[in-house]
Amino acid sequence: GDSVTQMEGPVTLSEEAFLTINCTYTATGYPSLFWYVQYPGEGLQLLLKATKADDKGSNKGFEATYRKETTSFHLEKGSVQVSDSAVYFCALKKQGAQKLVFGQGTRLTINP
Amino acid sequence: GAGVSQSPSNKVTEKGKDVELRCDPISGHTALYWYRQSLGQGLEFLIYFQGNSAPDKSGLPSDRFSAERTGGSVSTLTIQRTQQEDSAVYLCASSTSGGADTQYFGPGTRLTVL
Repeated sequence: GDSVTQMEGPVTLSEEAFLTINCTYTATGYPSLFWYVQYPGEGLQLLLKATKADDKGSNKGFEATYRKETTSFHLEKGSVQVSDSAVYFCALKKQGAQKLVFGQGTRLTINP
Repeated sequence: GAGVSQSPSNKVTEKGKDVELRCDPISGHTALYWYRQSLGQGLEFLIYFQGNSAPDKSGLPSDRFSAERTGGSVSTLTIQRTQQEDSAVYLCASSTSGGADTQYFGPGTRLTVL
């Protein structure tokens, strides 16, 4: 079945460090890919998305590129801030389907 | 505008009791989804409603779980004869249509079954 695999957390970085959270997926066809973020005490929020191969999604300094050849959608940010501390979820949605399939989430903590 | 709201925010119940969880989607959104977030299973899809169509119940884990959506708006997720493994955060989301990519999530209801 369809699945998403994220790098295991927790991930702890210092402020201004470079961030990569790996995400790979298994699915037939050409799913849309997403990163959602869950800040402490808040609900899931869409961070960015990409709907076709080689698309780059970006928001709030975060980027992720849809790589069909490696079935990946890694999340990157050049300089993280304490306010980026949250749980990050990679997800896919197949064409014609309605449900999101999520990875297990990666908890990120940024220390000042 | 108002986002997706859910109530209650926290619910503690005893094993064997029934519970009802409520979701108010964003006004005008025709698609509504329920997901469950638990330590053991991560985030998993439960059920999907689109307009007046029959719901997609493929993610419901057992027949103790049911959901309805009245008037194409508010939805209620009911869990009968709760078990300890039902303890989780239940998330509701809505989107402009079933084909829309972006789902907007509510804050969730944390259910604890003692």
